[in-house]
Amino acid sequence: DVKVTQSSRYLVKRTGEKVFLECVQDMDHENMFWYRQDPGLGLRLIYFSYDVKMKEKGDIPEGYSVSREKKERFSLILESASTNQTSMYLCASSPSDTMNTEAFFGQGTRLTVV
Amino acid sequence: AQSVTQLDSHVSVSEGTPVLLRCNYSSSYSPSLFWYVQHPNKGLQLLLKYTSAATLVKGINGFEAEFKKSETSFHLTKPSAHMSDAAEYFCVVSHAGNMLTFGGGTRLMVKP
Repeated sequence: DVKVTQSSRYLVKRTGEKVFLECVQDMDHENMFWYRQDPGLGLRLIYFSYDVKMKEKGDIPEGYSVSREKKERFSLILESASTNQTSMYLCASSPSDTMNTEAFFGQGTRLTVV
Repeated sequence: AQSVTQLDSHVSVSEGTPVLLRCNYSSSYSPSLFWYVQHPNKGLQLLLKYTSAATLVKGINGFEAEFKKSETSFHLTKPSAHMSDAAEYFCVVSHAGNMLTFGGGTRLMVKP
């Protein structure tokens, strides 16, 4: 059974803290993605990676960075958390060998910044 | 550029009645289209996908969707709603590099 695992379901952090959200996939997928989900806005792409050490900005990268040192792991970093980054964060992965295949999603991390 | 519009943010139906969730898309080339479902406090699960084969696509749990190129639509339907169908549904278009563009979501409520 395919699996994308996010390290935390719920997080509460203080404004200004550095926050790490971790994601691991066991499907040997090349592509990995970080989205944030807000009511009425659907999912918006923050960053994606198509290979180890490669990263590309998505639609809303400001205030975030990412790290992909190993194929199976993709980390999202909030350099200095702010209250407007309170949201649900979803990690996903997909293979690159076929076009337009579906992505597989983790359970999500609900982050609250106070 | 790709975009997806889900025409209803909330849909409410009675159990046993038909479900219609509407989706329109724009894409600069032949798209692949998906419907995902998200139950409360869960990740997203693929319901069905269209990838230029048959225009009527059948998915899990009795859902289906019809790709209509002339109307740029990909509406999701189910003949008879069940209480367990209550969830949020996302229409998604895929483009280069398996990039996904999501609609804003439709929350389906099912009344007993």
